[in-house]
Amino acid sequence: DAGITQSPRHKVTETGTPVTLRCHQTENHRYMYWYRQDPGHGLRLIHYSYGVKDTDKGEVSDGYSVSRSKTEDFLLTLESATSSQTSVYFCASSRDPPQPQHFGDGTRLSIL
Amino acid sequence: AQTVTQSQPEMSVQEAETVTLSCTYDTSESDYYLFWYKQPPSRQMILVIRQEAYKQQNATENRFSVNFQKAAKSFSLKISDSQLGDAAMYFCAYRSLTGANSKLTFGKGITLSVRP
Repeated sequence: DAGITQSPRHKVTETGTPVTLRCHQTENHRYMYWYRQDPGHGLRLIHYSYGVKDTDKGEVSDGYSVSRSKTEDFLLTLESATSSQTSVYFCASSRDPPQPQHFGDGTRLSIL
Repeated sequence: AQTVTQSQPEMSVQEAETVTLSCTYDTSESDYYLFWYKQPPSRQMILVIRQEAYKQQNATENRFSVNFQKAAKSFSLKISDSQLGDAAMYFCAYRSLTGANSKLTFGKGITLSVRP
């Protein structure tokens, strides 16, 4: 399977603190994505990237920013975490569409 | 915008039996891909099977097969000879072929339990 690593796997933090989640892929995939998974909602796209320094918003992007300075790394930042951002976050990567997306193992983020 | 609907939140199947998970979608596009992903308790998202909309033949991967009805916009997953390891949440997903926004649109998922 595609080599996608997310870090950290678990994080607990307090409201108002900044949080950065990291996604690293070793497949040289052009596309990378950040999703959040919440009960009753499936997975929803936060942001995605279609190349180095090329990013765009998904359907639930408010409160999140991303950066991609290298092909292999895609960072998701919560500038000031809120309790509503408690979720499981998944990173995915793929070659050009319509090739399937391959997912990391997820990060469970709890904001108290 | 595309939508994906999985109307059954939970299903149960006896080990060794066959179960079908339903999925419908809405789109105005003629070309697209459909996927089923499996998420076991380990939380991994595992690609189970995919179907290209332009292909009439239903995709098959070992014990997993789909019933793709393009006109009805239906994409169901059949699991034959169910095993305990099939217990998981299953997500149906749609991916457009056009545009830079090549995101997956997911259904809300269905939890499958397998009775020994």
